[in-house]
Amino acid sequence: QVQLVQSGAEMKNPGSAVKISCEASGGAFNTHFINWVRQAPGHGLEWMGAILPIHGVIKDSQNFRARVSITTDESTGAVTMEMRGLRPEDTAIYFCARDVRQYTFAYGLDLWGPGTLVTVSS
Amino acid sequence: EVVLTQSPATLSLSPGERATLSCRASESISSTYLAWYQQKPGQAPRLLIYGASNRATGVPDRFSGSGSGREFTLTISRVEREDSAVFYCQQCTRSQVTFGQGSKVEIK
Repeated sequence: QVQLVQSGAEMKNPGSAVKISCEASGGAFNTHFINWVRQAPGHGLEWMGAILPIHGVIKDSQNFRARVSITTDESTGAVTMEMRGLRPEDTAIYFCARDVRQYTFAYGLDLWGPGTLVTVSS
Repeated sequence: EVVLTQSPATLSLSPGERATLSCRASESISSTYLAWYQQKPGQAPRLLIYGASNRATGVPDRFSGSGSGREFTLTISRVEREDSAVFYCQQCTRSQVTFGQGSKVEIK
């Protein structure tokens, strides 16, 4: 059974960048859009963007376009999200999540990673 | 972007009662791209409903979704203690995904 595995927690200074990875264990996920969703402590869900690894198709959020890059590492199959210019308000859990249908964007996210806590503080 | 407004903010019910959660969009959206999630504390969200009314794999049939246009509803026919959680709706329009702010269901 496919599971999504994310990289570990990060502590960052304001103004720096963070890179978080997401890989599939137990199967491939490159024919599904992989999305990034964040959740600040005590708050709701916020979509950041998505990629279809097999084709490199990107769906980016207008709210994060300037600071976020989503890429695929072709050698490992991992999907990576990089956020630049970090601010304290970027402190959140960052989830990767798979779209339920192959090759189709935004039907629903049926498989989620465990989340990566990013703390931004000086 | 499309704003989703969920109501009520909190719903407190006894086991066996019916829960009705509302999700209202700021403009008409395609029901194909309307999903519902359940999130328990310390866990990632779980997909319940996609395409407004299709239950995801393994979701009990006490959960159902309906609606079209600007108004969508998630119904739990008979709540159980394990249904205590925050529920979110999600939509996609013009390749922009947004979530509602969430509705919390408490079981008495």
